[in-house]
Amino acid sequence: QKEVEQDPGPLSVPEGAIVSLNCTYSNSAFQYFMWYRQYSRKGPELLMYTYSSGNKEDGRFTAQVDKSSKYISLFIRDSQPSDSATYLCATNTGTASKLTFGTGTRLQVTL
Amino acid sequence: GAVVSQHPSRVICKSGTSVKIECRSLDFQATTMFWYRQFPKQSLMLMATSNEGSKATYEQGVEKDKFLINHASLTLSTLTVTSAHPEDSSFYICSATLTAGNTIYFGEGSWLTVV
Repeated sequence: QKEVEQDPGPLSVPEGAIVSLNCTYSNSAFQYFMWYRQYSRKGPELLMYTYSSGNKEDGRFTAQVDKSSKYISLFIRDSQPSDSATYLCATNTGTASKLTFGTGTRLQVTL
Repeated sequence: GAVVSQHPSRVICKSGTSVKIECRSLDFQATTMFWYRQFPKQSLMLMATSNEGSKATYEQGVEKDKFLINHASLTLSTLTVTSAHPEDSSFYICSATLTAGNTIYFGEGSWLTVV
């Protein structure tokens, strides 16, 4: 079993839809959680960084962490074609420690 | 957000030669940098953790004599692929952590093609 599980998709939604991306993890030592967006042939771009259980909102993006169930989510409101990319969840145990990634979910937002 | 720059973005080299990829943190100091390799449609695979002024820590299965990592300053880490072979062709990405904190930023990646 992988330490971080993520559905690889692809996930196709129409423009304007709300997108829900999810990951589960198994290691209780993971304390910090990130979501990255990666366009084809580019490096990952940090979207959200969270520590506490609960919600964190930034524009159209909301990151949700539930440490009791080891479940993290990223919601994208009013999705746009430019949101089409691979979304990677990642986590680590502490400051400057290595990241453990999910496999990434490919998202396609159609017109 | 903070900027991490990689150079070159694309490189083609002949089999048997060595190639160096640079990773720079442009507007912050990075005590720790990470090097990843990514195959098409797969997630990032950590190769090594690089700490300024000390030897890199390599992940299991990564040949340290083949993938030489140097982190000579708080803003620069280099990955040298020695005696490159076609199977080394891949997308190599670095990331850097702010000296104070846990936010990790990635470079744009470097495409290596060995012919």
